[in-house]
Amino acid sequence: QVQLVESGGGVVQPGKSLRLSCAASGFAFSSDAIHWVRQAPGKGLEWVAVISYDGTTTYYADSVKGRFSISRDNSKNNVALQMNSLRPEDTAIYYCAREGSYIRMDSWGLGTLVTV
Amino acid sequence: SYVVIQPPSVSVAPGKTATISCGGDDIGNRVVHWYQQRAGKAPVLVIYSGSERPSGVPERLSGSNSGNTATLTISRVEAGDEADYYCQLWDTTSDHVVFGGGTKLTVL
Repeated sequence: QVQLVESGGGVVQPGKSLRLSCAASGFAFSSDAIHWVRQAPGKGLEWVAVISYDGTTTYYADSVKGRFSISRDNSKNNVALQMNSLRPEDTAIYYCAREGSYIRMDSWGLGTLVTV
Repeated sequence: SYVVIQPPSVSVAPGKTATISCGGDDIGNRVVHWYQQRAGKAPVLVIYSGSERPSGVPERLSGSNSGNTATLTISRVEAGDEADYYCQLWDTTSDHVVFGGGTKLTVL
């Protein structure tokens, strides 16, 4: 079955960096785009970034553009989110999600907590 | 960028019907998806492409989309339906995913 497992979260000081990882299994990883979505404590879902199936196309939310970078390694079934210049408002649970048709997110991981 | 508006909360008695709206300019011409997020859990896709149900989602959940409003309808509401619900679409103008602010469904 489809499985997405996030890791790399933790407590970090403002201005520092953190790298999140999303390990995928149970599907044709190299065929699907992957998104990162975050949720601040007590708040709603906020889209962060997406990377295409082959890594050639990426898009970012305005709130993280220029600070965050998404990448993938299809040989390792892994997507990374490099987060630089972190701010207190980046504190959230970060989820990775597999993209299905019409840009829906049909499978989600359990999330990893980042505290800035 | 494109904005969608959801009511912050909806309350319904067990066995009744709950409707959750997602409003946006001409949203009926966009592809809308819905997610359920129970307390402390990750979101789960419950309706895609406006009205389609993934396998395992009860028929009690249905979706529609027309004009300026997309709607998630939950019939014969049960205690287990209590959760936050989010609509989502892709905005082709900004190349951004857009989420609604979420609606907390309370079962009385």
